[in-house]
Parts: sequence; C-alpha cells; structure tokens
Amino acid sequence: QLQLQESGPGLVKPSETLSLTCTVSGGSITSSYYYWGWIRQPPGKGLEWIGTISYSGTTYYNSSLKSQVTISVDTSKNQFSLKLTYVTAADTAVYHCARHLKYSAGPNWFDPWGQGTLVTVSS
Amino acid sequence: SYELTQPLSVSVALGQTARIACGGNNIGSKNVHWYQRKPGQAPVLVIYRDSNRPSGIPERFSGSNSGNTASLTISSAQAGDEADYYCQVWDSSTVFGGGTKLTVL
Repeated sequence: QLQLQESGPGLVKPSETLSLTCTVSGGSITSSYYYWGWIRQPPGKGLEWIGTISYSGTTYYNSSLKSQVTISVDTSKNQFSLKLTYVTAADTAVYHCARHLKYSAGPNWFDPWGQGTLVTVSS
Repeated sequence: SYELTQPLSVSVALGQTARIACGGNNIGSKNVHWYQRKPGQAPVLVIYRDSNRPSGIPERFSGSNSGNTASLTISSAQAGDEADYYCQVWDSSTVFGGGTKLTVL
C-alpha cells in the first residue's frame, strides 16, 4: 500500500526558507500515471494547493505562490521536496504531500495523502 | 482563476441524507473530486471524477455533477461522517472549494 511521509523542520523564522521532503514508500515515484503534489492548510482555514511535479520534473504551481515555490524530485530516493522562500506568519500551516493522479489533460485527484506536518513561522 | 463555492456548514439528522453542494461556472464540464477531513487526520478521497467511489468508501457516499453545481450525497448519515468536506477540480491548476463542515445531529 502506497504511503507518503512528510519530514522537515517544524519551526521556521520569518523571511527564511521552508524546506520539506516527502518520502514515498510501497510504490515507485517513477510512474507515468501519477504526479506528486503539495497541499497546505493554515489553522482554521481550508485546503490550498501549492504545486505538483511529475517524476520527469514537469511542474505546476499555484499562481499565487509561484514566486516563492520550488518543487523538485529525487527518483533515486523516491522522494520529492518543497521549498518556500521568504516565509511569513501567513505560511504557518499543516503541509501535506499526496499522490496526484493523472487523468485526461493533467493531474486530477489526490490519493493517498501524507499525514501532514505542522510548520510554524515565528521568530 | 476558477472558483468553487461551498456552504460553510450542513447539518443532518442521524440516519438521514446529507447533501453538500459545490458551485462553479459550468462545473458540469469538469471532473469533480471530494475529500473528507476529520480533525488530526489526513484528508481522504471519497469521490473522484464526479461519482466514482474509491475502494473502501461506503456505498452511502455518492456524487453528481451537472450545470453549475456538483453535489456530494451521504445517505444514512452516521456520527462517524462528521467531518469537513472539500470539493476539488483541475482547471489548468488545482482548485479546492472552501470546505463544508458536516454536523450529524
């Protein structure tokens, strides 16, 4: 059964870079049927898609975050990563990684999701 | 950019049918997916491509999509169905609805 696990610092200072890694187990990241995505949920708010990557490195980003976000993939480690630069308190959220299934024109639904990791931006 | 609108909350009596709407411009032309999120847990896909249930999701969960509204229907609602529900589409980028809190009375 495919599992995803987020890892990274739980506390990041304002203006610094948030870095998270998602480790995929129980399956290969190098399938052409899937993409791999990051989603976050700020406290008390809804889900927000951050971006998605294919194993070959094709990326899709939320236009509202595009200037801050870089998503990369390491197929040798079966991992993909998120970097969010110049963070502020507004970037405090639970960050999830998820498999993003390919259908029709592009990535469509997410399944399964990682448990999520809380990242707090504070000095 | 594309927007999805959901009611903030829906209440349903135990054993009755709950319907959660997701509104969007011509949403009927898109594939709509639904997630259930319980506190402290990862979101779970309950419906994909409008009306398809992943394995392990009870038949009580169903979906429809037409015109400007997609809907998630939960029949014979149980206490364990209390959660936040989110709709989602792909429209050159991924868009989530704002989420609906389902309360089972």
